[in-house]
Amino acid sequence: GENVEQHPSTLSVQEGDSAVIKCTYSDSASNYFPWYKQELGKRPQLIIDIRSNVGEKKDQRIAVTLNKTAKHFSLHITETQPEDSAVYFCAAPGGSNYKLTFGKGTLLTVNP
Amino acid sequence: GAGVSQTPSNKVTEKGKYVELRCDPISGHTALYWYRQSLGQGPEFLIYFQGTGAADDSGLPNDRFFAVRPEGSVSTLKIQRTERGDSAVYLCASSFSGRANTGELFFGEGSRLTVL
Repeated sequence: GENVEQHPSTLSVQEGDSAVIKCTYSDSASNYFPWYKQELGKRPQLIIDIRSNVGEKKDQRIAVTLNKTAKHFSLHITETQPEDSAVYFCAAPGGSNYKLTFGKGTLLTVNP
Repeated sequence: GAGVSQTPSNKVTEKGKYVELRCDPISGHTALYWYRQSLGQGPEFLIYFQGTGAADDSGLPNDRFFAVRPEGSVSTLKIQRTERGDSAVYLCASSFSGRANTGELFFGEGSRLTVL
């Protein structure tokens, strides 16, 4: 099955700085890479995703990059704001097409 | 409702008791998933339904866990003879398509189970 490793486990930045979270995956069949944001006590919510036919995708302050050769993908948040503080999870489906394997999460804290 | 609804939001039970957790997915979503989230961990896959049938239950930890979705909508996760290690947040998610590589998973708020 798929194995997803996520780093770092915690990340603290000053407001306005950039934050980068990295994930690696094991199953070369994975072709879809979503990122979910989970605020304390809330449900995980999709913030951005990327498919294997592109190397980068951007949505306002959030971007995701994918390197299929190296089997890693990263989340980039620019101009961080306190409301970006949350736990972020990466995920990959492996070859299942329906079953996402999630990373262990990164607790991002944006200090005002 | 507009989102995935889960009940109860919190459940405290004693070791050995039976527990049922309910999930009401978004109307029209044929795919339904149960995940388990332990403290400090990412969601862990338990079971996937496409319509009424369990298409993949490979994530259920043992035979004390069982889930049903008799009419292709509401699903119930059943845990028999609960153990302290079952304590976690049980998340339900639904999606329009069962293909994880084509669609967003919409999660519920979760049911927090505490086994004393």
